[in-house]
Amino acid sequence: EPEVTQTPSHQVTQMGQEVILRCVPISNHLYFYWYRQILGQKVEFLVSFYNNEISEKSEIFDDQFSVERPDGSNFTLKIRSTKLEDSAMYFCASRGLPLETQYFGPGTRLLVL
Amino acid sequence: DQQVKQNSPSLSVQEGRISILNCDYTNSMFDYFLWYKKYPAEGPTFLISISSIKDKNEDGRFTVFLNKSAKHLSLHIVPSQPGDSAVYFCAASLLGGGSQGNLIFGKGTKLSVKP
Repeated sequence: EPEVTQTPSHQVTQMGQEVILRCVPISNHLYFYWYRQILGQKVEFLVSFYNNEISEKSEIFDDQFSVERPDGSNFTLKIRSTKLEDSAMYFCASRGLPLETQYFGPGTRLLVL
Repeated sequence: DQQVKQNSPSLSVQEGRISILNCDYTNSMFDYFLWYKKYPAEGPTFLISISSIKDKNEDGRFTVFLNKSAKHLSLHIVPSQPGDSAVYFCAASLLGGGSQGNLIFGKGTKLSVKP
């Protein structure tokens, strides 16, 4: 069964460093998303991506964040200068047409020290 | 501003009995609702969904009911099994009007099914 994959599973970084989180969505899907879950809190939407551009973003997704689909398979989330409060689980999700269900990857646990 | 609310942080049920998880929402424009199951340190796993044009959707032991007038949905699990123990998230989205279907999640309900 096709699934969304994410790498790395864990990432530890120093405050102010750049991190890139990688995702491989399900191959025939067209809509891509990033969400995050801070420990003990709910899953929050960050950004959606369709047709090679950002389609919607939340207020969390500020100038420190960017997304890219560098090739036909990968979907990346970059945090330019990490802050302590960026520590969270980051989930990638994808959705195909005409399906309406988003399927999530296993997540990347980011810890900013 | 919680658009999707799960007011019960936890629920404990005996194996074989029914589990009922509840979810309320405030935005009447939501047109698609989903339930996800999540284990610690894993991604949410899709369980079942319902469109706003329906009031019930069933898949095996899982049934979701939607009451649009009350802006309320519920997930019924019958019979409950110990393997169902996890955190259950309700999510809502807006698929119409050119929206990208971003999911708005509730805070989750931790279900414990005791043998």
